[in-house]
Amino acid sequence: GAGVSQSPRYKVAKRGQDVALRCDPISGHVSLFWYQQALGQGPEFLTYFQNEAQLDKSGLPSDRFFAERPEGSVSTLKIQRTQQEDSAVYLCASSPRLGGYTFGSGTRLTVV
Amino acid sequence: QKEVEQNSGPLSVPEGAIASLNCTYSDRGSQSFFWYRQYSGKSPELIMSIYSNGDKEDGRFTAQLNKASQYVSLLIRDSQPSDSATYLCAVSGGKLIFGQGTTLQVKP
Repeated sequence: GAGVSQSPRYKVAKRGQDVALRCDPISGHVSLFWYQQALGQGPEFLTYFQNEAQLDKSGLPSDRFFAERPEGSVSTLKIQRTQQEDSAVYLCASSPRLGGYTFGSGTRLTVV
Repeated sequence: QKEVEQNSGPLSVPEGAIASLNCTYSDRGSQSFFWYRQYSGKSPELIMSIYSNGDKEDGRFTAQLNKASQYVSLLIRDSQPSDSATYLCAVSGGKLIFGQGTTLQVKP
């Protein structure tokens, strides 16, 4: 596709529910990143893939967060047993090997 | 100390003025530097990238990089009300790390 596509755009989850957020990067982009952005803050790094390899997951806040990119294209960020503090916008970005990062529209997660 | 620091603002400038946005970073190994613009409720949009010391100009935007001082800046000339947004500085040495953003308000 022409841009980075994320789905769903909005997700309301009850506390304790599991959620899965999808990112479809720009075709051919090697690198894929997940960020969490709280209101009024800059995006916080969660994890990074180069092709199917997860090279850095140091930003994942707890073991309830898990990300995968099994075929080096689409990625899924899964959050288990959601908590209220997980409410945020989750942004996905992709980039070619060298160059700037293009962001998707994000998924706004609200945990109630 | 945060890895990338920006003044959160708001920075208010009159229409037609020069807006100056600043950013410092802590990792001397950083190699790539970016400025993103983010409108309220939207995702970040890349407006400038810079990789070597000095100035880089693109239209009304000029990015400046000083690796010795670990300092990046963005100048916006002839500021317009449509430039009102949050500007995010981002630094990469592998993963992309963002500052908290500076809110710019351009008043007509």
